[in-house]
Amino acid sequence: GAGVSQTPSNKVTEKGKYVELRCDPISGHTALYWYRQSLGQGPEFLIYFQGTGAADDSGLPNDRFFAVRPEGSVSTLKIQRTERGDSAVYLCASSPKAGVGNNEQFFGPGTRLTVL
Amino acid sequence: GENVEQHPSTLSVQEGDSAVIKCTYSDSASNYFPWYKQELGKRPQLIIDIRSNVGEKKDQRIAVTLNKTAKHFSLHITETQPEDSAVYFCASSSGNTGKLIFGQGTTLQVKP
Repeated sequence: GAGVSQTPSNKVTEKGKYVELRCDPISGHTALYWYRQSLGQGPEFLIYFQGTGAADDSGLPNDRFFAVRPEGSVSTLKIQRTERGDSAVYLCASSPKAGVGNNEQFFGPGTRLTVL
Repeated sequence: GENVEQHPSTLSVQEGDSAVIKCTYSDSASNYFPWYKQELGKRPQLIIDIRSNVGEKKDQRIAVTLNKTAKHFSLHITETQPEDSAVYFCASSSGNTGKLIFGQGTTLQVKP
């Protein structure tokens, strides 16, 4: 079946611009996660959705970052007033549900964001 | 805060040898420990995971051990092959969110 997909695969923008990154999770997965991976580092947690609500946004670095999942499926990560330090690969992952007993997360291919 | 330390950062072995990667976690409430393999430019792929009620798990050439008392867990790859070359990440999670805290990664090179 189809895995997690993310669009665009690459995004180049200029400092100060607004960007949106999209994630399509595996059908039926209620848990959705966003991570950010800088070069040579492990993924860093940004935000977690259970259904439509953001259950944990403790990883968002500041208020320029926001994410939505209005219908409990597709999610969009939004970054305002981009900075060069935002350049990274943004990974999305989905899981059948969060919590004990069902934690395996399936990752998308990521969106490589470059802020010039 | 929650933290996962991973060692070594790079590991080079001869084909057929074993490779061991070690991780230490800080959150004693952690109850799930996956290992991901990531090839250059690709997505992380789960290769094995272990839960806190189990001390060891094996899948063909790959095994993971967990020491809850010491808050250590390790990945063991036996009979390494060149296609095992990649970056390996350990991670831990706890609580109801399932969010993963990743280690810094180990670049494994298997020389033919």
